[in-house]
Amino acid sequence: AQSVAQPEDQVNVAEGNPLTVKCTYSVSGNPYLFWYVQYPNRGLQFLLKYITGDNLVKGSYGFEAEFNKSQTSFHLKKPSALVSDSALYFCAVRDPLSIKAAGNKLTFGGGTRVLVKP
Amino acid sequence: NAGVTQTPKFQVLKTGQSMTLQCAQDMNHEYMSWYRQDPGMGLRLIHYSVGAGITDQGEVPNGYNVSRSTTEDFPLRLLSAAPSQTSVYFCASSSLMRDKNIQYFGAGTRLSVL
Repeated sequence: AQSVAQPEDQVNVAEGNPLTVKCTYSVSGNPYLFWYVQYPNRGLQFLLKYITGDNLVKGSYGFEAEFNKSQTSFHLKKPSALVSDSALYFCAVRDPLSIKAAGNKLTFGGGTRVLVKP
Repeated sequence: NAGVTQTPKFQVLKTGQSMTLQCAQDMNHEYMSWYRQDPGMGLRLIHYSVGAGITDQGEVPNGYNVSRSTTEDFPLRLLSAAPSQTSVYFCASSSLMRDKNIQYFGAGTRLSVL
């Protein structure tokens, strides 16, 4: 069974400093990996994905993530955090070997709350 | 473009009551799903559907029913609400053809069962 771990419940960072949100995964085969962001009282919004190709993927709002197969990690990064980046971030994985009938089932991590202070 | 619309936004139920959470999408997506969000547990899949007339169970299906009579709608029914079902519920949809790995989420329904 696939699983996702986000080891930090909360990350605090000063505005302008680099931001990293950690994610590790467990899945059979090559994973499809995703990051979603949830702002207060809103649904989740897609940030970026890794399917294949370059290990460094770029997404919305200046975020990027690095896929590391040997460490089974997919950490989310932003070079310079903004106060408006304060939100709940979720890492998710889809097993591409899952049968087609299962559609686009995702397994989510527990979420990491990011607080960017001015 | 409305995307994924969930109603109601908030609901309070008494134990044993039934209700239906509504979800509609206007993107002609084949795949729709329901998740519940609980603190520290991320989102857990309740039920999903890959098309009209086809539904299947997710990770935590007990106490919930779904049906998919049209492409647009995917209601979630609680037959006899229990306090353990207090949660925030999200509906999501995605295409199985184009951009098939991106899911679009509704704004959520916050449910309290007393």
